[in-house]
Amino acid sequence: DAGVIQSPRHEVTEMGQEVTLRCKPISGHNSLFWYRQTMMRGLELLIYFNNNVPIDDSGMPEDRFSAKMPNASFSTLKIQPSEPRDSAVYFCASSLASGETQYFGPGTRLLVL
Amino acid sequence: GENVEQHPSTLSVQEGDNSIINCAYSNSASDYFIWYKQESGKGPQFIIDIRSNMDKRQGQRVTVLLNKTVKHLSLQIAATQPGDSAVYFCAERRGGRGFYFGSGTKLNVKP
Repeated sequence: DAGVIQSPRHEVTEMGQEVTLRCKPISGHNSLFWYRQTMMRGLELLIYFNNNVPIDDSGMPEDRFSAKMPNASFSTLKIQPSEPRDSAVYFCASSLASGETQYFGPGTRLLVL
Repeated sequence: GENVEQHPSTLSVQEGDNSIINCAYSNSASDYFIWYKQESGKGPQFIIDIRSNMDKRQGQRVTVLLNKTVKHLSLQIAATQPGDSAVYFCAERRGGRGFYFGSGTKLNVKP
C-alpha cells in the first residue's frame, strides 16, 4: 500500500505565481482532506471531499484558494496568486469515510518569496 | 471558533517514565477523537482513537481516556522510549464537519 501520495514535496515560488499541489488518496478511500500546518496556527482543515464532492470548505482562507477532486484518485489545491503568508506545509489526508481515521500524506512544504 | 486546547505544549520526560498529554474540547457534538504522532518532516500518524460511547481505550503502551462530562481527553504513554519523541496532536470530530486539531505537544524523551 503506497499510502497517500503528495507532489511536489517542496515548492519554492515567487509572490504572485500560481501554485498547484497534488494528492493521490489511498485506493478505496472515499474522503479526502486538505490541511495547512504552520507554527502560528497549527493544523487547520481547509476543505474536505466525500465521494469527490466538496462537503465543507469553510476553512479555505480566501478566494485565492481553490480545490478540486475530478475523480476518486486525484485532488488538487491551487493558490492563485500566491502570497508569502501562504508559506506552510500542506497535508492531504484520506479516509474510508468522512468520520473515520485519516491517513496523512508526507506533505508539501511551500515557500512563497 | 470553538478551539481544542492541548497542554502541555512541551513535555520532557526520562526514558522509562510515563507521559500524559491532555486536551480540552468545548463542542458537545464531538463524537470521535484521535491521537496523532508527528515526527519531524513527516505527516501525522494515527496512534489511537476513541468514540464518545467509550471512556477508555488501550493500545500497545498507550491509553486514551475520555471524560465527556468535563470534555477532557488524555493520552498516556507508558514506559516512554526515545522513539516516542515527536509532536502529538489530539483531534476531535464535530458531527459531519471534519476534524479539528489541538495545538500539539512536543514530547522530548531523555535517555
